Amino acid sequence: EVQLVESGGGLVQPGGSLRLSCAASGFTFSSNWMHWVRQAPGKGLVWVSRINSDGGSAAYADSVKGRFTISRDNAKNTLYLQMNSLRDEDTAVYFCASVRYSSGVYYFDSWGQGTLVTVSS
Amino acid sequence: DIQMTQSPSSLSASVGDRVTITCRASQSISSFLNWFQQKPGKAPKVLIYVASSLQSGVPSRFSGSGSGTDFTLTISSLQPEDFGTYYCQQSYSIPCTFGQGTKLEIK
Repeated sequence: EVQLVESGGGLVQPGGSLRLSCAASGFTFSSNWMHWVRQAPGKGLVWVSRINSDGGSAAYADSVKGRFTISRDNAKNTLYLQMNSLRDEDTAVYFCASVRYSSGVYYFDSWGQGTLVTVSS
Repeated sequence: DIQMTQSPSSLSASVGDRVTITCRASQSISSFLNWFQQKPGKAPKVLIYVASSLQSGVPSRFSGSGSGTDFTLTISSLQPEDFGTYYCQQSYSIPCTFGQGTKLEIK
């Protein structure tokens, strides 16, 4: 069974840093591209970042570019999101998601339960 | 960025009703369109991928159609467990983008 378990969320002051982790099991983690998606309280889903299978390529939403860094450790089956210079508007539940491909189209087939990040003074 | 617009934003329907949710992309995305269901406090769950393919384990009352810019999610006979918020999402280009969501309530 595929499992994604996020951790590392919590309360942080504006300008602070936090590192999220996503522990994967039940599939060949090193073969899968991975993404982070966030959801502010009461709001919709917003894509944050993605990383390819070997960690050599990453992409970011404009809103987090230069502040967040996605990475992975395939030996530990773990995905990370390093978040620096946090702002109030980064407050959200952060989900990690694994990707599956069909007919050249990727979709998020498995999601973690999410970890809440609250940025507040 | 490709904008995804869903309609309606919310709807209330009765058990047994046929429900349709539409999603429009700001530019052609071929069939690079997925649908998710999210219940309160839970992670999203994929229902439909590549516009019309039913995810394994998802009831056959869910179906998807469309290509280019206009897409539809249909629930043929609404069940009580179908409440929640539905999102479309394009994976044609980065940043991938989601619709704003359609909140479905059961009357």
